[in-house]
Amino acid sequence: EPEVTQTPSHQVTQMGQEVILRCVPISNHLYFYWYRQILGQKVEFLVSFYNNEISEKSEIFDDQFSVERPDGSNFTLKIRSTKLEDSAMYFCASSRIPGGQYFGPGTRLTVT
Amino acid sequence: RKEVEQDPGPFNVPEGATVAFNCTYSNSASQSFFWYRQDCRKEPKLLMSVYSSGNEDGRFTAQLNRASQYISLLIRDSKLSDSATYLCVVNGRGTGGYNKLIFGAGTRLAVHP
Repeated sequence: EPEVTQTPSHQVTQMGQEVILRCVPISNHLYFYWYRQILGQKVEFLVSFYNNEISEKSEIFDDQFSVERPDGSNFTLKIRSTKLEDSAMYFCASSRIPGGQYFGPGTRLTVT
Repeated sequence: RKEVEQDPGPFNVPEGATVAFNCTYSNSASQSFFWYRQDCRKEPKLLMSVYSSGNEDGRFTAQLNRASQYISLLIRDSKLSDSATYLCVVNGRGTGGYNKLIFGAGTRLAVHP
């Protein structure tokens, strides 16, 4: 069964550093998403991406965040200058059509 | 009012029990509804979509009441492996359409022998 994959599984970084989280969505899916979950809190939408552009973004997704689909398989989330409050689990998701989305295993980001 | 509201639980039930979870949502324009399950420190996994006519998948039955903006999930014959957090999810209307999912905080289920 096809799966969304994410790397790395855990990333530790210092405040102010840039991080890039990587995702490989399911191959025939056209819609891509990033969500985050702070420990003990609910899953929050960050951004959706379709046809090589952002289709929706939340208030959390400010100028420090960017997404890219650099090639036909990868989908990345970049945080330019990490803050302590960026520490969270970041989930990539994909879907063939808008609707039920399939999530990757997540990257745990720890900012120290 | 929270966009998606759920009873956090926990629901502690014996194996074989029937358990029901409820959820309400605030945006009457929401078009799609889902139940996801999430195990501790894992990703949300799509359990089932929820349709107005109600739908069943094995031991799981989901119902939607659009007039009351209410979604339910019934689990029959609970198994130990059903222990998880169940997330009520609706799609949210934004400038890009209905692409984003809005999650409830989840209801925790613990099934014991």
